[in-house]
Amino acid sequence: EDQVTQSPEALRLQEGESSSLNCSYTVSGLRGLFWYRQDPGKGPEFLFTLYSAGEEKEKERLKATLTKKESFLHITAPKPEDSATYLCAVQAVTQGGSEKLVFGKGMKLTVNP
Amino acid sequence: GAGVSQSPSNKVTEKGKDVELRCDPISGHTALYWYRQRLGQGLEFLIYFQGNSAPDKSGLPSDRFSAERTGESVSTLTIQRTQQEDSAVYLCASRRTGLSGEPQHFGDGTRLSIL
Repeated sequence: EDQVTQSPEALRLQEGESSSLNCSYTVSGLRGLFWYRQDPGKGPEFLFTLYSAGEEKEKERLKATLTKKESFLHITAPKPEDSATYLCAVQAVTQGGSEKLVFGKGMKLTVNP
Repeated sequence: GAGVSQSPSNKVTEKGKDVELRCDPISGHTALYWYRQRLGQGLEFLIYFQGNSAPDKSGLPSDRFSAERTGESVSTLTIQRTQQEDSAVYLCASRRTGLSGEPQHFGDGTRLSIL
């Protein structure tokens, strides 16, 4: 069964305190791993797609990396505006033969000034 | 439009009533998805539309749920005889093509509360 597990469920950081979020996955043939950011009352906002082990993507203070079983979202010197829930998802095949995203439960990040 | 638009943003209804949720995808996006986000849970796939092909309904939780889409435009998700367990945020996403690896872009969802 395709599955995504994110840890920790919640994380509190001080402004400037770097950390990493973990996403473990099992999927039959990885076709893409996606990171999204979700603010309260909003839909997920696309951040990155990773396709193969060893790949890295960066955007401002965020860097996503991928291994064969995990992805990490590294946050360098975070600011309060980075506070959000970060979602990890893998592209998987539906029972109908199409594609869908399978999401983890998310990780709520709070960055205190 | 600039992004995926969903309406209403909030819906409160009594158990047993029918509800209809609407999604306007990004213009030109051929693929459209519906997901459900229950409190404390990950998003669950419900249904997928790609162009004029038959939809993939394999994620719909019961026959009370149905969805339609005309061509590459608006989609509606209908829930009949609502139950309290249907309370969730219903999110719509569109994708430029059906090609693997293309990111999905989400609307802000409809928060459905069943009394």
